[in-house]
Amino acid sequence: ETGVTQSPTHLIKTRGQQVTLRCSSQSGHNTVSWYQQALGQGPQFIFQYYREEENGRGNFPPRFSGLQFPNYSSELNVNALELDDSALYLCAIRGGASTEAFFGQGTRLTVV
Amino acid sequence: RKEVEQDPGPFNVPEGATVAFNCTYSNSASQSFFWYRQDCRKEPKLLMSVYSSGNEDGRFTAQLNRASQYISLLIRDSKLSDSATYLCVVMIGGYSTLTFGKGTMLLVSP
Repeated sequence: ETGVTQSPTHLIKTRGQQVTLRCSSQSGHNTVSWYQQALGQGPQFIFQYYREEENGRGNFPPRFSGLQFPNYSSELNVNALELDDSALYLCAIRGGASTEAFFGQGTRLTVV
Repeated sequence: RKEVEQDPGPFNVPEGATVAFNCTYSNSASQSFFWYRQDCRKEPKLLMSVYSSGNEDGRFTAQLNRASQYISLLIRDSKLSDSATYLCVVMIGGYSTLTFGKGTMLLVSP
């Protein structure tokens, strides 16, 4: 449908561990953003990448980091996981002059 | 003050009813405005963009009042399939990042 795929779909990690979440999209979508959505909340902006460079960041600590690759895929890395990091993590892509954002289905992370 | 504020609801309405959602935003430099729909445990999907002149898409009408920093969504003739959370979204800044409200839950009953 949207051409945005996230992996894995579900994940359980232990407090203090590290996690890498992945997002892939069709070519031409050169802007990718990551969001954290806690239960009952709206998505919160983590950061945004454009042509492999971070060009925007929300109010998240440095242990949240990311990458965008030449094929437009992207990673979100979270170090030293905390219980409050349990949430749905969404990536969204936009391409060209379009402002519509297409979301992946999300990765549901549970930290125990 | 939150950047985008919405009444979380839930709004419980019968099929066929008309329902309206409101949203306010705090950043006067906001550039673009949207309503997204999110079904339970699914990703958000664009419902419609919002323009100062107002825009309509079938049973859905969106309005923007820049002076009051206020956005609205009107749904006429509600269907069971309209049950979802409606997210008010504002695009801010030179890098066009999206800021979401908390969402308003709509439950349409038979």
